[in-house]
Amino acid sequence: EDQVTQSPEALRLQEGESSSLNCSYTVSGLRGLFWYRQDPGKGPEFLFTLYSAGEEKEKERLKATLTKKESFLHITAPKPEDSATYLCAVLPAGNNRKLIWGLGTSLAVNP
Amino acid sequence: NAGVTQTPKFQVLKTGQSMTLQCAQDMNHNSMYWYRQDPGMGLRLIYYSASEGTTDKGEVPNGYNVSRLNKREFSLRLESAAPSQTSVYFCATYCDETYEQYFGPGTRLTVT
Repeated sequence: EDQVTQSPEALRLQEGESSSLNCSYTVSGLRGLFWYRQDPGKGPEFLFTLYSAGEEKEKERLKATLTKKESFLHITAPKPEDSATYLCAVLPAGNNRKLIWGLGTSLAVNP
Repeated sequence: NAGVTQTPKFQVLKTGQSMTLQCAQDMNHNSMYWYRQDPGMGLRLIYYSASEGTTDKGEVPNGYNVSRLNKREFSLRLESAAPSQTSVYFCATYCDETYEQYFGPGTRLTVT
C-alpha cells in the first residue's frame, strides 16, 4: 500500500538551531515528491518538487533532498517566521492524479 | 492573478441544511480537487476533476456532490450536512506538466 510518513510530528527549535524534517515513503514508483508549508488558518503553500533520487532544491533557509526511500527538509539557521506545519506528499507512478499526503511536522522556532 | 479562490471563508450550518462551497482558479489548470483537513487525519481527497466535464471520487466522497461548471470553477455541495462534516475544506488545482498542486485559502465549516 502506498504510504507517506513524516517525522517528527512536532519539533521545537531555538532561533539559529539547524535541523531536518523527514518524509519516508512507500510507493510503487515515484513520479514526484512535494513539500508544502502551511500556516495556521491558511491553505498549503507549495515549496518544492523533487522527481528523482539525488535531486536537491533550495530556497532561502530550506533545502530539500530525495533518496529512493525518503526525503529530508533541512532548515538552516531557522527564524521564528519559519514556524509552520510542513507537509510532504508523493505522486505514485501511474495515470491517476491523486497525491498521497503525510500528516505533517509542526515546527516552532523560538526567538 | 488570484490563483485559487474559495467562498465562503467561514460557514456555520445546522444538521440537515445544505450548502455549496465555491472554488475558482485562474491558473488555466485542467484538474481541480476538493480536500478536507481534520486534526490528526491530514488532507483527505473528497472528489477531483481531471478535466471539464469529468469528476471522480476520492477517499471520502460520501455525503458530498461536485460540479465542474467549466474549466475555472469546481463546486462542492453538501446536500444534508452532518456534524461529521465539520472540517476545513480546501480546493486545489493540479499542473499537468509539473504535477504540483496549488491550494485555495480554505473554507472553515461548522455543522451543529
